[in-house]
Amino acid sequence: DAGVIQSPRHEVTEMGQEVTLRCKPISGHDYLFWYRQTMMRGLELLIYFNNNVPIDDSGMPEDRFSAKMPNASFSTLKIQPSEPRDSAVYFCASRDWDRVTGELFFGEGSRLTVL
Amino acid sequence: KNQVEQSPQSLIILEGKNCTLQCNYTVSPFSNLRWYKQDTGRGPVSLTIMTFSENTKSNGRYTATLDADTKQSSLHITASQLSDSASYICVVTNLEGGGADGLTFGKGTHLIIQP
Repeated sequence: DAGVIQSPRHEVTEMGQEVTLRCKPISGHDYLFWYRQTMMRGLELLIYFNNNVPIDDSGMPEDRFSAKMPNASFSTLKIQPSEPRDSAVYFCASRDWDRVTGELFFGEGSRLTVL
Repeated sequence: KNQVEQSPQSLIILEGKNCTLQCNYTVSPFSNLRWYKQDTGRGPVSLTIMTFSENTKSNGRYTATLDADTKQSSLHITASQLSDSASYICVVTNLEGGGADGLTFGKGTHLIIQP
């Protein structure tokens, strides 16, 4: 398997524009996570899905953020409208059924810069 | 409140030297602890997992220890190499799950190996 695939790797946009980040998890993994990483706060969980169903979205900063998982092989994280404080690296990760000891497999991340 | 504290925040050592990174946690009930390595511009990758009954585990030049009584873990790197330059993130799993899927992340230690 090619691992978790994210796109785009880099995104530079202007304040107010819509941003869509994409993720393809490892085939067969039941869980998909979206994280945001900044120097100040480290990795923060935004939302996670189990079998395509959103389980916990309490980490989503505000209504400007939304995430979908229409099928087992694709997920999107959308920010509309974007703001400069959204600038960060966004990671998608997937994991198999083992909730207790299962390893998170991360993508390479999408670095977002909002001007 | 579940928390994971890592120290030092950053560390610079010369190639060939040893170093030890620390992780203290207050997560309860404890299930396991993972160390992840994150190279610059890449996603985190798991180095090792420590369960409640394990005290020491080695992965090449990396040795992790766990003291479940004092709720401390360390990651020791022997004979450091330039490729060890990375951030090392400690992640603790809460047996009861809950928010963030039971995972609590440390903010990481940024390690720089100088030639």
